[in-house]
Amino acid sequence: DAMVIQNPRYQVTQFGKPVTLSCSQTLNHNVMYWYQQKSSQAPKLLFHYYDKDFNNEADTPDNFQSRRPNTSFCFLDIRSPGLGDAAMYLCATSRDANQPQHFGDGTRLSIL
Amino acid sequence: AQSVTQPDIHITVSEGASLELRCNYSYGATPYLFWYVQSPGQGLQLLLKYFSGDTLVQGIKGFEAEFKRSQSSFNLRKPSVHWSDAAEYFCAVGGVASGGYNKLIFGAGTRLAVHP
Repeated sequence: DAMVIQNPRYQVTQFGKPVTLSCSQTLNHNVMYWYQQKSSQAPKLLFHYYDKDFNNEADTPDNFQSRRPNTSFCFLDIRSPGLGDAAMYLCATSRDANQPQHFGDGTRLSIL
Repeated sequence: AQSVTQPDIHITVSEGASLELRCNYSYGATPYLFWYVQSPGQGLQLLLKYFSGDTLVQGIKGFEAEFKRSQSSFNLRKPSVHWSDAAEYFCAVGGVASGGYNKLIFGAGTRLAVHP
């Protein structure tokens, strides 16, 4: 089945140690999104790519970066994770703007 | 400002009972509206969407929602709840411009518990 796949499902890193989360899709969608979701909260959009065009949300910390080397893959890099970055990170795709977003199962990030 | 309000943080229903989850939005034009469900430790799954046309939309798992422009509402309903429906439900509005792009704005979610 066409899917949005996030690896790993659980990631543990140390305070200040860079970490990369990955997302791949077989839907061939133009748009890929990264969300941060903290416990009992709604997902919060960090940034998204429309094809190769990157759009950063105004309140996304500089600590968070993203790469999209091709249509299928998108990466979330956290350069120096702090305790407040512990959360579920969700990747989503959509065929176009305003089309329904299809979510992966997320990566739960823990910071030691 | 564009926003989505889900007034009920927690709802508990008995299995077999009917369900209605409320969603109100604030948006300057005709919105794109969505309902997503999230089981613990999982991503979000699309239940249904409204773009235009018939204001009563059918979704997966026996859910439906009705768009009421006059009330700025998009409430989710199910006639008979199953224990497996226990989850977090998010209403979202699309078509919100941000730097020239559109994005979803999510409500805070409603956590549904189902009693046997």
